[in-house]
Amino acid sequence: QKEVEQNSGPLSVPEGAIASLNCTYSDRVSQSFFWYRQYSGKSPELIMSIYSNGDKEDGRFTAQLNKASQYVSLLIRDSQPSDSATYLCAVYAGNNRKLIWGLGTSLAVNP
Amino acid sequence: NAGVMQNPRHLVRRRGQEARLRCSPMKGHSHVYWYRQLPEEGLKFMVYLQKENIIDESGMPKERFSAEFPKEGPSILRIQQVVRGDSAAYFCASSPGQGTNTIYFGEGSWLTVV
Repeated sequence: QKEVEQNSGPLSVPEGAIASLNCTYSDRVSQSFFWYRQYSGKSPELIMSIYSNGDKEDGRFTAQLNKASQYVSLLIRDSQPSDSATYLCAVYAGNNRKLIWGLGTSLAVNP
Repeated sequence: NAGVMQNPRHLVRRRGQEARLRCSPMKGHSHVYWYRQLPEEGLKFMVYLQKENIIDESGMPKERFSAEFPKEGPSILRIQQVVRGDSAAYFCASSPGQGTNTIYFGEGSWLTVV
């Protein structure tokens, strides 16, 4: 089992819809969770971090964490074509002192 | 610009030459990470450094690759005797270290081996 898993996609949603991106992780002692966005040919850009169970909202983005079920999700409300990118989930367990990355989910928002 | 600075942005090397990629972390950050990303693939961790120390190099190929983060100056990723398979994007990221593990990426260095 991979340590951090994401559906590779592509996930296709119409403009204005809610895009839901999911990530599961295997290490129960994971402490910190991050979502990054990467446009083609660019570097990853931090969108959200979340550390506690529940929801965390920032503008159109909401991160949801459920440690009991070992998943973290990212919701993008009112999706725009400019949101079309690959979304990377990263998890920090502490004991290995580095982030563990998923392979990313490709999102396409269609006008 | 207070962000993570990488240079060169694009580098072309012939097979057998050396490539040196430089990374200056964000102001106040003492931890540097190097990642490699092959076309259409995910991020691969290479090495994690603090000033003058390699903390984790588990993702670094055993031969031809080395990294340093001296007391003064940028972190350097060095690839000796490059081969075509080394063609990739190399991303540097930094973090403050103590108390946070959020990392911020530079714009990347694209290495092409011809």
